[in-house]
Amino acid sequence: DSGVTQTPKHLITATGQRVTLRCSPRSGDLSVYWYQQSLDQGLQFLIQYYNGEERAKGNILERFSAQQFPDLHSELNLSSLELGDSALYFCASSGLGVATDTQYFGPGTRLTVL
Amino acid sequence: GENVEQHPSTLSVQEGDSAVIKCTYSDSASNYFPWYKQELGKGPQLIIDIRSNVGEKKDQRIAVTLNKTAKHFSLHITETQPEDSAVYFCAASKDSGYALNFGKGTSLLVTP
Repeated sequence: DSGVTQTPKHLITATGQRVTLRCSPRSGDLSVYWYQQSLDQGLQFLIQYYNGEERAKGNILERFSAQQFPDLHSELNLSSLELGDSALYFCASSGLGVATDTQYFGPGTRLTVL
Repeated sequence: GENVEQHPSTLSVQEGDSAVIKCTYSDSASNYFPWYKQELGKGPQLIIDIRSNVGEKKDQRIAVTLNKTAKHFSLHITETQPEDSAVYFCAASKDSGYALNFGKGTSLLVTP
């Protein structure tokens, strides 16, 4: 158990809909990362937050957005869903110091868009 | 941006043999190189990492080597066991606390 929790575990929805994925980082970790894992693209970085502020952005679509709340949990919002958005979405957390920067991954949310 | 290539995509070995997975990266500014193991239905789990100021690191049956000049790094698993069967990902990152750029993964099968 990495200490990172993600809910829900599975999500099935229809095209055009909007969903919210939730992540709680490990205790003490201020940084949260979101990754998308699909068969064709592999594991791709979407976005990173540090202590409530956006720190880095990767290949995140404009239809996707995220935020990190004062209690450090994070949410990834996916809207106007398309079939191609079906994937595993992972959250990871870390500190930022050299001794604490290992990224620990949660169990993921499997999103299926029908 | 950073491009990480990983080979082979699949690897089958007999129990007790060694397994080697190789990765190359493109961005000379990368300084942090972790390896993750992903079992079916689970999230990636860090198994070992190395930083650019170190050429080799070992942890029991697992070792990683880094050649910064050639921009490649490798994972070595000795005395493989069936429970080593999983997908292994290499990654590269600019530094601590930055986004990871992953390779496409290697599916390792260890047969008894």
